[in-house]
Order: sequence, then structure tokens, then C-alpha cells
Amino acid sequence: DVKVTQSSRYLVKRTGEKVFLECVQDMDHENMFWYRQDPGLGLRLIYFSYDVKMKEKGDIPEGYSVSREKKERFSLILESASTNQTSMYLCASTPRGSPGDYGYTFGSGTRLTVV
Amino acid sequence: QKEVEQNSGPLSVPEGAIASLNCTYSDRGSQSFFWYRQYSGKSPELIMFIYSNGDKEDGRFTAQLNKASQYVSLLIRDSQPSDSATYLCAVALNQFYFGTGTSLTVIP
Repeated sequence: DVKVTQSSRYLVKRTGEKVFLECVQDMDHENMFWYRQDPGLGLRLIYFSYDVKMKEKGDIPEGYSVSREKKERFSLILESASTNQTSMYLCASTPRGSPGDYGYTFGSGTRLTVV
Repeated sequence: QKEVEQNSGPLSVPEGAIASLNCTYSDRGSQSFFWYRQYSGKSPELIMFIYSNGDKEDGRFTAQLNKASQYVSLLIRDSQPSDSATYLCAVALNQFYFGTGTSLTVIP
């Protein structure tokens, strides 16, 4: 089975902290994605990557950055955490090709609370 | 206008009944359609996808696609309490667009 692992299930951080969310997949997938999920707003795409060292902005990139130094790892960085970034963060991956060719495999999610 | 619209529910059905979940989308260029199930506090898991007009069946689940009317639906036959979850519809264009989900409760 494809496995997408997110390093933390729950995180509590203080306003202004720099926060790193890690995602690792073990199936040699080229495409990786970061979403946040909020009640009533659904899943919103923050950033995605189709290859190592490559990144593209999604719909809500403000306040976030990403890093993909290795194919299997895609990190989401909150440069200066704010309370409006309290959310469930989901990482997903797919093999090379159009996202519609495959369904996403999601990680287990990280519930981040910024206080 | 949202790309994908779902009735948020909650939808309640008795055990053994058919649950019907609906989704409409705005972009006629959409080619691939997915249904995900999400239990409370968990991440979404893929349960079905459909590319062509008509019905696609997988066990107790049937996905229906009507591209002319721009809707996709999911039927769950013989609903079980374990089917109680939020169901997300997703449409693939250059990226996935998700609906906000329909909450389903199956009452024993």
C-alpha cells in the first residue's frame, strides 16, 4: 500500500513561531500536495510540487512556503504562525501524470493549533 | 462560483436503506470525478472514481455521472452504521477541486 506519512498528528504552536510540517511518501510518487481543511470551506490547495526542487502556488499560498529537496519528502513551512492558520493540514501524493489520472493518497493529517 | 457544490446535510438514513449523495460542478472541461469518505478526525480515503457518463458499481457503492447536467452522485445501498461519515466529491481539472462534503448518519 502507498503510504503517506505526516510527522505529527497534533501540534500546538505559539503565534509568531516558524512551523515545519513534514510529509514523506514511500511509493516514488512525483506529485505531492499540501491542503488545509476548515469547516464550511472544505479542502483548499496551498502548494504543490511535480518534481524535486519544483513548487507551484495553489489557491491560498500566503503565509506559507514549501521545500522539496528529495522526491519522497515535501515540507510545508509556516513562516510566522498566526491564529488564522489553525487548521487540519493534509498532505497527498500521486504518480506522475495529470492529477485526474489517479486519486490522491492522503496522509493522516496534522491538526495544528496556533495560540 | 464554487467549482464543486455539495449539500452539507446532515443526511440521515436508517440502516439498510439507500443513501443518495449529490454533487454538481461548474467546469464542463472536467473529466475525472472522485468520491472520498472521511471519518471524523481522519483524513479522506478514496472510495470511487468515475470518468464516463453512466453508472459505475463497486460493491454497495454506485457512482453516477451525467456530464450534460454536470452532476455526479454516489449511492450507498444497504447502508450500515459504519458508513456514517462525511463524503467529499472531487473534480479533477489541472488540480483537484473538492466540495465541502455531505455528512451522512446511518441510524441503527
